[in-house]
Amino acid sequence: DSGVTQTPKHLITATGQRVTLRCSPRSGDLSVYWYQQSLDQGLQFLIQYYNGEERAKGNILERFSAQQFPDLHSELNLSSLELGDSALYFCASSGDRPAGTEAFFGQGTRLTVV
Amino acid sequence: AQKITQTQPGMFVQEKEAVTLDCTYDTSDPSYGLFWYKQPSSGEMIFLIYQGSYDQQNATEGRYSLNFQKARKSANLVISASQLGDSAMYFCAMREPSNTGNQFYFGTGTSLTVIP
Repeated sequence: DSGVTQTPKHLITATGQRVTLRCSPRSGDLSVYWYQQSLDQGLQFLIQYYNGEERAKGNILERFSAQQFPDLHSELNLSSLELGDSALYFCASSGDRPAGTEAFFGQGTRLTVV
Repeated sequence: AQKITQTQPGMFVQEKEAVTLDCTYDTSDPSYGLFWYKQPSSGEMIFLIYQGSYDQQNATEGRYSLNFQKARKSANLVISASQLGDSAMYFCAMREPSNTGNQFYFGTGTSLTVIP
């Protein structure tokens, strides 16, 4: 168990809809990262939050948004969903010690848009 | 430039043999970390091994070792005595520290198939 919790594990929704993916990082980790992994693809970095503030943006569509709350949990909002948004969405968290540590991944949310 | 490069989209290895998965990285930061993750068909990302930029010795974790060649900027993963359960995608990653939280960069992955 990585200590990172993602809900839901599976989500099936129709095109045009909006969904929210939730992530609870490991206790004490200030950084949360969101990644998208489409079928047979690598990890596409979407966005990073650090202690409640957006710190880095990757290939995140304008239809997608995220936030990190004061209790450090994070939500990824996906709207106007398209078939191509079907993917595995990972949340990861990391500590910020100078020596660093690995990114701990949640189990992922498998989104299917039909 | 790509931060992490994995040039082997797919690899095959005979069971019980050793296999090396290649990874090169690009950074100008003297302090960084290198990681390997395994992603089996079930989808979860499993941390395997870590190498710090200042570590003098290559990291080892059981059957996994990281062949760290700093001057060449390479961090190859060596899996010894391959098992059928090693069949999975393997991702190389690098962490660059910053005062805004660590930045992680992932390669495109290598699909490893272990043949009985």
